Amino acid sequence: EIVLTQSPGTLSLSPGERATLSCRASQSISINSLAWYQQRPGQAPRVLIYGASNRATGIPDRFSGSGSGTDFTLTISRLEPEDFAVYYCQHYGGSLYTFGQGTKLQIK
Amino acid sequence: VQVVESGGGLAKPGGSLRLSCTASGLKFDDAWMTWVRQAPGKGLQWVGRIKNKGSGETICAAPVNDRFTISRDDSKAAVYLQMSSLKTEDTAVYYCAWIGDALTGHLASWGQGTLVTVSS
Repeated sequence: EIVLTQSPGTLSLSPGERATLSCRASQSISINSLAWYQQRPGQAPRVLIYGASNRATGIPDRFSGSGSGTDFTLTISRLEPEDFAVYYCQHYGGSLYTFGQGTKLQIK
Repeated sequence: VQVVESGGGLAKPGGSLRLSCTASGLKFDDAWMTWVRQAPGKGLQWVGRIKNKGSGETICAAPVNDRFTISRDDSKAAVYLQMSSLKTEDTAVYYCAWIGDALTGHLASWGQGTLVTVSS
C-alpha cells in the first residue's frame, strides 16, 4: 500500500507570497493518479489538481501541480486570503485510495 | 454535480447506522462513488468505493471492510453506507463523493458531510 507523506506539516506565509507544498509517495506512482485538495475550516474538501498537473474546473491559475515518480508539488504562486486552509494529496492505485496527512497553510 | 449525504447521528458502540447519499447533475448509472471520513480534528481517511451500475463492485478500506458495506440504488441515484459493529473510533464526519474519472481516481464533487457519533 502506498503511503503519502506531506511536508511541511504547517506552513506560515503572508498574502502575496508563494507557497510550495510537498507530497512524497513511499514508492513510484503514476502521475495520472495524484490529486490535490483544499479544505477550508468547516467545509468539505474540493479538488484543485488531478493527474498531478491538471487544474480542476473553476480553479484559479495561481494553483499549479507538478512532479513525477515519488515527489509531487503543489504551488500557489501568489497567496490570496482565501487560500489559507489545509491541503491534502491523494493517490489512487490498486483499487485503493490514499490521502496524505495534510499541510496546514496559515497566515504569518 | 451536487452530492448530498444524510443519516448521520448518534449510535452506541456495537450498533448500526446507514448513511445515504444522493447525487444529481450527472449520469448516475455510470458514476463511481466513494465514502471518505474525517475524525474530529484529523485528516481525511478513505472508507470505500462502489463502481458504476454495470459493475457494482465494491471495496472498503481495511479498518472497516468487515463491518461496513456499500450499495447503490440507481433508480434513486443513491448510494448507501451500512455501518455495523460500530466503534468509538468510527466517530467522524462522513463525506460522499463522486469519482470524476475512474482512471485518475480523483474525487471531483463532495457532499457537505454527515456527522456520525459513536458513544455510550
